[in-house]
Amino acid sequence: AQSVTQLDSQVPVFEEAPVELRCNYSSSVSVYLFWYVQYPNQGLQLLLKYLSGSTLVKGINGFEAEFNKSQTSFHLRKPSVHISDTAEYFCAVSFRGTYKYIFGTGTRLKVLA
Amino acid sequence: DVKVTQSSRYLVKRTGEKVFLECVQDMDHENMFWYRQDPGLGLRLIYFSYDVKMKEKGDIPEGYSVSREKKERFSLILESASTNQTSMYLCASSFDRYQPQHFGDGTRLSIL
Repeated sequence: AQSVTQLDSQVPVFEEAPVELRCNYSSSVSVYLFWYVQYPNQGLQLLLKYLSGSTLVKGINGFEAEFNKSQTSFHLRKPSVHISDTAEYFCAVSFRGTYKYIFGTGTRLKVLA
Repeated sequence: DVKVTQSSRYLVKRTGEKVFLECVQDMDHENMFWYRQDPGLGLRLIYFSYDVKMKEKGDIPEGYSVSREKKERFSLILESASTNQTSMYLCASSFDRYQPQHFGDGTRLSIL
């Protein structure tokens, strides 16, 4: 079965500390992977995407993610967070050969001063 | 830059009313989507469309219908609104099925 899991519903972290938001998926076909960010009362905005090529992808606002096929993961990282990074982050997966596009349940990142 | 516009940011309707949510995109995208977002449940797909006049059910289509008469416009219809349809509704579009989706700012719908 195809699924996407974000295990952490909330992640508190102090300003300037590193952060990792976890995303795992389950699939029997090739996948395309995305991270989105949602600020309060707004729609989702694309942070980064993995379609093919290098497994380490860099996105906007200093975020990066690494595709690990053997562990079926696509974790999001930032070496030093700012207060302005406080938002909800969604992992999404598109499955090759289908119109299926599944979002995880989201991780609320709260950056503390 | 892609722009996806949803007709209302906030909407209050009464139980039993027929409700229309409109979405327009300006980038000639083939695919359009309607999601509802509820706390702890993430985004759930209601309907999507991969071409004009084409529509496919998503994971939670019950109580909803859609219309896509023109490529740029995708409407979500609540046939007879109920209180359990109170939610945030997000419209999105994409160039093709494997590309990122571009989202509108959402409509927060309250059914009283």
